[in-house]
Amino acid sequence: DAMVIQNPRYQVTQFGKPVTLSCSQTLNHNVMYWYQQKSSQAPKLLFHYYDKDFNNEADTPDNFQSRRPNTSFCFLDIRSPGLGDAAMYLCATSRGDITEAFFGQGTRLTVV
Amino acid sequence: DQQVKQNSPSLSVQEGRISILNCDYTNSMFDYFLWYKKYPAEGPTFLISISSIKDKNEDGRFTVFLNKSAKHLSLHIVPSQPGDSAVYFCAASLGAGGTSYGKLTFGQGTILTVHP
Repeated sequence: DAMVIQNPRYQVTQFGKPVTLSCSQTLNHNVMYWYQQKSSQAPKLLFHYYDKDFNNEADTPDNFQSRRPNTSFCFLDIRSPGLGDAAMYLCATSRGDITEAFFGQGTRLTVV
Repeated sequence: DQQVKQNSPSLSVQEGRISILNCDYTNSMFDYFLWYKKYPAEGPTFLISISSIKDKNEDGRFTVFLNKSAKHLSLHIVPSQPGDSAVYFCAASLGAGGTSYGKLTFGQGTILTVHP
């Protein structure tokens, strides 16, 4: 089945230690997104790629970076995780001509 | 500044009855609205959507109503089933495809519990 896959499902990292979350898709969608969802809050868009074009949301901290080496893969890099970065990170994809986004299962990040 | 709000954190309904989940928004530029369902330990799954040019969209047991003047939308599930128990997120977009594609602004979610 075509899908959006996030690895790992659970990630524990140390305070200040760089961490990378990965996302892959078999839907061949040209747009990929990273959302952050903290407990009992709305998912919040961090940034997205439209094809190779990177688009950062205005309030996304500089601590968060992203890479998209090809259509299928997208990575979220957190350079120096703080305790406040503990959250569920959701990857999503969509075709550029439709609004519905398809989500992966998420990665639960814990910072210790 | 929360542009999409779901003011009911939770809703409990008996099996077979109607579930009504509500959502309010403040940005009048939103013109496409979606509902997502999320089970524990899974990502959100697209459920149903509505464009601002419509006031109702129906898909099986699920109907979404949009009241643009009130900046309010609701999701009706009839009849409710225990398998519908999940978190429901309302989301809004500034453009249907084209301009804003899948950039979504989400509400906080409503936990629906359907009792047998």
